[in-house]
Amino acid sequence: DAKTTQPPSMDCAEGRAANLPCNHSTISGNEYVYWYRQIHSQGPQYIIHGLKNNETNEMASLIITEDRKSSTLILPHATLRDTAVYYCIVSGSGNTGKLIFGQGTTLQVKP
Amino acid sequence: GAGVSQTPSNKVTEKGKYVELRCDPISGHTALYWYRQSLGQGPEFLIYFQGTGAADDSGLPNDRFFAVRPEGSVSTLKIQRTERGDSAVYLCASSAGTGAVETQYFGPGTRLLVL
Repeated sequence: DAKTTQPPSMDCAEGRAANLPCNHSTISGNEYVYWYRQIHSQGPQYIIHGLKNNETNEMASLIITEDRKSSTLILPHATLRDTAVYYCIVSGSGNTGKLIFGQGTTLQVKP
Repeated sequence: GAGVSQTPSNKVTEKGKYVELRCDPISGHTALYWYRQSLGQGPEFLIYFQGTGAADDSGLPNDRFFAVRPEGSVSTLKIQRTERGDSAVYLCASSAGTGAVETQYFGPGTRLLVL
């Protein structure tokens, strides 16, 4: 599975959009980009995933560049409850579905 | 509906003891995963079950770790001769199937402390 690179930490003002970047330059054609988050002392929570098209759900939007080498997770109106560690993961159809987590980005939403 | 549950939520044991950690997946989910998370790190894959069989146990660190899922539902992670380095949060996740697009639903974890 391709490796991902994320900034270790970011701050965001409450009510503003949070844009979390992820680099995955070695991604292959059949690999998806997943985002999970982990709020303190809880298990990880699925947010969104995509292959090559941009995706949106009730939690967030995922923007994937045309060359698929990077992506951005967008939380449109961050709240204090969005403070968490956000993990960008690349996983392909050829594996068992196991997730390979990196260090993630710690997002701190401030009032 | 009920999510993934794990028991106990906390476990304190002494070095050298045997522990069992239990995971109850979401009803009907055929895939079950165990991960381990050390302080300040992301979760690390341990083992994956599809039904009753361990389809991928490449993440188990050594032969002191073993997991079973005898009826394709509840799973137990067993650790023999525990060491202080085994202290971590053990997370369980389940999904409706396997493959690249199945969402994994995680339990709250079991916090294991080996003294």
